[in-house]
Amino acid sequence: DSGVTQTPKHLITATGQRVTLRCSPRSGDLSVYWYQQSLDQGLQFLIQYYNGEERAKGNILERFSAQQFPDLHSELNLSSLELGDSALYFCASSRILGGALHEQYFGPGTRLTVT
Amino acid sequence: EDKVVQSPLSLVVHEGDTVTLNCSYEVTNFRSLLWYKQEKKAPTFLFMLTSSGIEKKSGRLSSILDKKELFSILNITATQTGDSAVYLCAVEGSTGANSKLTFGKGITLSVRP
Repeated sequence: DSGVTQTPKHLITATGQRVTLRCSPRSGDLSVYWYQQSLDQGLQFLIQYYNGEERAKGNILERFSAQQFPDLHSELNLSSLELGDSALYFCASSRILGGALHEQYFGPGTRLTVT
Repeated sequence: EDKVVQSPLSLVVHEGDTVTLNCSYEVTNFRSLLWYKQEKKAPTFLFMLTSSGIEKKSGRLSSILDKKELFSILNITATQTGDSAVYLCAVEGSTGANSKLTFGKGITLSVRP
């Protein structure tokens, strides 16, 4: 158990819908990262937050957005869902912001299926 | 755009064999290279390498980085069936004060009894 929690574990929804994925980082970790993992694309970095502020953006679509709240939990919002958005979404947390990125601890993931 | 290429894509070996997994990269402002093991769940951290030529070891696993040739290898000796997993290589590049991880597509290792 990494100490990172994600809810829900599974989500099945229809095209065009909007969903919110939630992540709570390990105690004391200020950085939260979101990743998407699909069979054909591998693990793709989406976005990083540090202490409530967006710090880095990866391959995140405009239909997706995220935020980190004062209690450091983070939410990833996916809207106008398409079949191709079906994937495993991981959240990870780490203690250090840039400078020296140390190990990231991954949550168990949310499996999103868009039908 | 940062790029990480892992090879081979997949590998099947027998218990007791030694395997070498490769990771080459192109990244802006390299900071570190990380190896993860992913079974049927979230990736778990194995190693972080920042300096060339210094081997990191953990039991039967070891890894080394060559910053001149832009690659790293992960060695697993005396493989066991529990080593069967996808091994992911990721490279951290900096963008100003921030950093970003780029992952390779992974190497699927199957260890047969």
